[in-house]
Amino acid sequence: KQEVTQIPAALSVPEGENLVLNCSFTDSAIYNLQWFRQDPGKGLTSLLLIQSSQREQTSGRLNASLDKSSGRSTLYIAASQPGDSATYLCAVEVADYKLSFGAGTTVTVRA
Amino acid sequence: GAVVSQHPSRVICKSGTSVKIECRSLDFQATTMFWYRQFPKKSLMLMATSNEGSKATYEQGVEKDKFLINHASLTLSTLTVTSAHPEDSSFYICSASTYPMSYEQYFGPGTRLTVT
Repeated sequence: KQEVTQIPAALSVPEGENLVLNCSFTDSAIYNLQWFRQDPGKGLTSLLLIQSSQREQTSGRLNASLDKSSGRSTLYIAASQPGDSATYLCAVEVADYKLSFGAGTTVTVRA
Repeated sequence: GAVVSQHPSRVICKSGTSVKIECRSLDFQATTMFWYRQFPKKSLMLMATSNEGSKATYEQGVEKDKFLINHASLTLSTLTVTSAHPEDSSFYICSASTYPMSYEQYFGPGTRLTVT
């Protein structure tokens, strides 16, 4: 059974600092890995999707890397802003298009 | 594009009653919809997968008679929590996909259910 772990569970940084969020998964047989953002009491917004054959994806200030063999992904957010405060979830797609989610990292960016 | 809505966004019901949550794909046809449950500070747990016109497939440990799922059209799936108990209180999120055309899932805004 796929287990997805996100460390740390919470993170607080001053505005302008770079953010590094970690995700690890136990079974390397994945189709893809996604990073989502969730604001309090809201649904999920997809940030980046990395196919299993890819090593990284970039979108604006966001960069996500994937090392399938070691079961790790890292989300980098450059020059953090207070608007980046949210919970970030990673999820891996396993067989039959199902997603296994981590518990998330709650980020607070202090102005 | 790819907008998914849920209704209601919040609902409070009494123990023993049933409550229905709707999930709609507004601008695309969703061949597959997923229902998740999220506990505070926990990951989303997949409850079931529904395909239009067929019975839902439930994950291990999810009671199909308690959580009734109907996917009657390509734009609507409903989750009915029957005989609700306080332990059913949770945040329920649906997602929709055009699988097999695409594996991407588009998530709804979620429904907060509180059972008193």
